[in-house]
Amino acid sequence: AQSVAQPEDQVNVAEGNPLTVKCTYSVSGNPYLFWYVQYPNRGLQFLLKYITGDNLVKGSYGFEAEFNKSQTSFHLKKPSALVSDSALYFCAVRDNGSSYKLIFGSGTRLLVRP
Amino acid sequence: DAGVIQSPRHEVTEMGQEVTLRCKPISGHDYLFWYRQTMMRGLELLIYFNNNVPIDDSGMPEDRFSAKMPNASFSTLKIQPSEPRDSAVYFCASSETGGGSTGELFFGEGSRLTVL
Repeated sequence: AQSVAQPEDQVNVAEGNPLTVKCTYSVSGNPYLFWYVQYPNRGLQFLLKYITGDNLVKGSYGFEAEFNKSQTSFHLKKPSALVSDSALYFCAVRDNGSSYKLIFGSGTRLLVRP
Repeated sequence: DAGVIQSPRHEVTEMGQEVTLRCKPISGHDYLFWYRQTMMRGLELLIYFNNNVPIDDSGMPEDRFSAKMPNASFSTLKIQPSEPRDSAVYFCASSETGGGSTGELFFGEGSRLTVL
């Protein structure tokens, strides 16, 4: 069965520094991978996705993610963090063609300090 | 489009009472999902529909939970009777397939349920 793991409960970074939020996945077949962000008392918002093609995917708010098939990872990155990036981030996976449901990771809280 | 609309945003009820959560998906979307979010268990998929038909309800915790989708623009999640352990934020999400869509989900703002 497909699954996704986010090994860090929380990531702390200073404003202006680069950030990385980690995600690894396990699927049969080619994965469809997603990142979502959740601000307090809000629903999840789509950030970016990897389906096929370039391993570096660019998304909303200056975020990007790198797909690494050999390491089964899909880490979220941003070159320069903002305090307003502080939120809960979820990685999700959908097995290619088998279903349209998404399996979410446990979430990583990003805290960007001024 | 207004996005996925959920109601109520907040619900406080007493144990044993019936709770009904409502969702209006984005027009034209053919998949609808109900998720539950808690601190302990994170995001759990409860049930999802395709073209108003339930496809997978294996995540529904027990018989106290039921979900319906009578038409393409409305779904309900009902808990009867409610228990304190049902306290959570319930999210509805929709997506479209076909036309090259890759099925990303669009979430509502959630319904925060507190059962006393």
